[in-house]
Amino acid sequence: AQKVTQAQTEISVVEKEDVTLDCVYETRDTTYYLFWYKQPPSGELVFLIRRNSFDEQNEISGRYSWNFQKSTSSFNFTITASQVVDSAVYFCALISGGSYIPTFGRGTSLIVHP
Amino acid sequence: AAGVIQSPRHLIKEKRETATLKCYPIPRHDTVYWYQQGPGQDPQFLISFYEKMQSDKGSIPDRFSAQQFSDYHSELNMSSLELGDSALYFCASSLSGGAAGELFFGEGSRLTVL
Repeated sequence: AQKVTQAQTEISVVEKEDVTLDCVYETRDTTYYLFWYKQPPSGELVFLIRRNSFDEQNEISGRYSWNFQKSTSSFNFTITASQVVDSAVYFCALISGGSYIPTFGRGTSLIVHP
Repeated sequence: AAGVIQSPRHLIKEKRETATLKCYPIPRHDTVYWYQQGPGQDPQFLISFYEKMQSDKGSIPDRFSAQQFSDYHSELNMSSLELGDSALYFCASSLSGGAAGELFFGEGSRLTVL
């Protein structure tokens, strides 16, 4: 069985603050894939990043960075110098066990105040 | 670039009515997925199709059915609608043999059941 836990239901920050969204996953498989999606108020799901289980290298893309740690089964997402446009629900997702169907976490609602 | 097209974007129905949602995948994508996202919930996988055949089945109610046509578009048919069916329905597509989990989501169809 696979499971994704996003313990933070809602985070509220002021613009320019850094914020980290937590994601903890569970799987018995050694091969798996982790994802982050952004869902802005308009509703669409926007793909942000995909990570496979054999690549623990952290990644940075502009103000976004991801910290993948297999030792703690975590794949956390940090937004540096947050902006109002970052306000959205962010979902962490997992694929494992030979399935191609992502299992989503419950999502973290990020509110960035001006 | 062409994205996943879903129609209608918004739909209002009464209880016990039927509804049909359509999904047009990205050209050359051969796999289609349907997800249901209730208010404040994470997306839940319903069903997927590969090359016009059902490939995986999730938590799709018996009142719902879906198919993928020869042109690869897919339709989700929902009958005997209930209030609890009110949700955002996402369609996603992918190319088999592509990166695992690289799903491209449409903007969703919001169904409201009154």
